[in-house]
Amino acid sequence: DQQVKQNSPSLSVQEGRISILNCDYTNSMFDYFLWYKKYPAEGPTFLISISSIKDKNEDGRFTVFLNKSAKHLSLHIVPSQPGDSAVYFCAATQAYSGAGSYQLTFGKGTKLSVIP
Amino acid sequence: EAQVTQNPRYLITVTGKKLTVTCSQNMNHEYMSWYRQDPGLGLRQIYYSMNVEVTDKGDVPEGYKVSRKEKRNFPLILESPSPNQTSLYFCASSLRGGSMREQYFGPGTRLTVT
Repeated sequence: DQQVKQNSPSLSVQEGRISILNCDYTNSMFDYFLWYKKYPAEGPTFLISISSIKDKNEDGRFTVFLNKSAKHLSLHIVPSQPGDSAVYFCAATQAYSGAGSYQLTFGKGTKLSVIP
Repeated sequence: EAQVTQNPRYLITVTGKKLTVTCSQNMNHEYMSWYRQDPGLGLRQIYYSMNVEVTDKGDVPEGYKVSRKEKRNFPLILESPSPNQTSLYFCASSLRGGSMREQYFGPGTRLTVT
């Protein structure tokens, strides 16, 4: 059973426009969520995170929104730049529940292409 | 420079020939983990370690072994590799405590088992 779902394998956006990447989760015990970015031939790098006590977290051009009732989060990139072209992974964990906080559950990833 | 290193970066081997992929971090992180990435499946955790001599299974541990004798090293051992272990492997590490969920990943090891 896939607990973290990224239903869009790919997304194309024009440079300067907004990119919205979506992620859904099924495990109601998840209380901390992260986005990672991955370029080809490199390991994933941490991008931004959000705790379940918040509904929004912003870092420069990147904003993550969390809708707990819908078990849905999204990553907004504004404005999108060609260098943002990468695979984006959504991840979730039980941050405040002991042993579960040591494991991240990842989605399958969404490949973002920003067209100049 | 703070980093996670993996060796080798690329490996082609044959079924049944034991191999070890090394992972080392220079950030004094307590937590280390191994993942595999496969097309259409994303990143799946193989094993993790909360500290020296403390390891536990992730979601897909079958066919793998790990050890954590030193804080900085966390090797992944395939005793008898099979073709279904052909994959891209990532090692990751993080601090315990508030930032421990933000894991730092190595560059990856692409393994092909024929």
